[in-house]
Amino acid sequence: EAQVTQNPRYLITVTGKKLTVTCSQNMNHEYMSWYRQDPGLGLRQIYYSMNVEVTDKGDVPEGYKVSRKEKRNFPLILESPSPNQTSLYFCASSSTGLAVYEQYFGPGTRLTVT
Amino acid sequence: GQNIDQPTEMTATEGAIVQINCTYQTSGFNGLFWYQQHAGEAPTFLSYNVLDGLEEKGRFSSFLSRSKGYSYLLLKELQMKDSASYLCAVSDDPRGGGFKTIFGAGTRLFVKA
Repeated sequence: EAQVTQNPRYLITVTGKKLTVTCSQNMNHEYMSWYRQDPGLGLRQIYYSMNVEVTDKGDVPEGYKVSRKEKRNFPLILESPSPNQTSLYFCASSSTGLAVYEQYFGPGTRLTVT
Repeated sequence: GQNIDQPTEMTATEGAIVQINCTYQTSGFNGLFWYQQHAGEAPTFLSYNVLDGLEEKGRFSSFLSRSKGYSYLLLKELQMKDSASYLCAVSDDPRGGGFKTIFGAGTRLFVKA
């Protein structure tokens, strides 16, 4: 089954404790992206990757890191989480040509930072 | 700046037709998407417009006017299961690569019996 998986699905942590949210897709997509979703603000892009070793900032990259060492995986790293990073996070992937096409989203990770 | 506007909420009756509008201002344009998101779930793809005009897909249609920076999603024969948020998104990259995606805040649609 074609899918995007994220782990963990739920996470409660404390300020400053480094964490990683994993994302994996089995569709051989070149493009992967991370979004956060907050009430009233919609989905905001954090980072995206056009292929292995190629990443770029979205609209809200501060406080986050990513890496793309393999095509299927795109982990999101919070080196020193803060309460304002409490949010619902989605990973997505897509094939690309002249542009990004429809994105397939993972189930989401609900993160709470206390 | 970059901005995508859509109404916050709409209510419609089962069996009716509803139109959800989206206006956008972005520094580049490589296509407009509509996604559906049920409460507590991930967004799922509905439609993609890159050229002006209407794209029809079953009960759902999407229209684009690039010169006006305007799109709408038309839902026909509304069903209770259509109660969800509808997200308008633009594929935008000022460098022309088309790989950055900007979402509107979404329109919550309530379908009543």
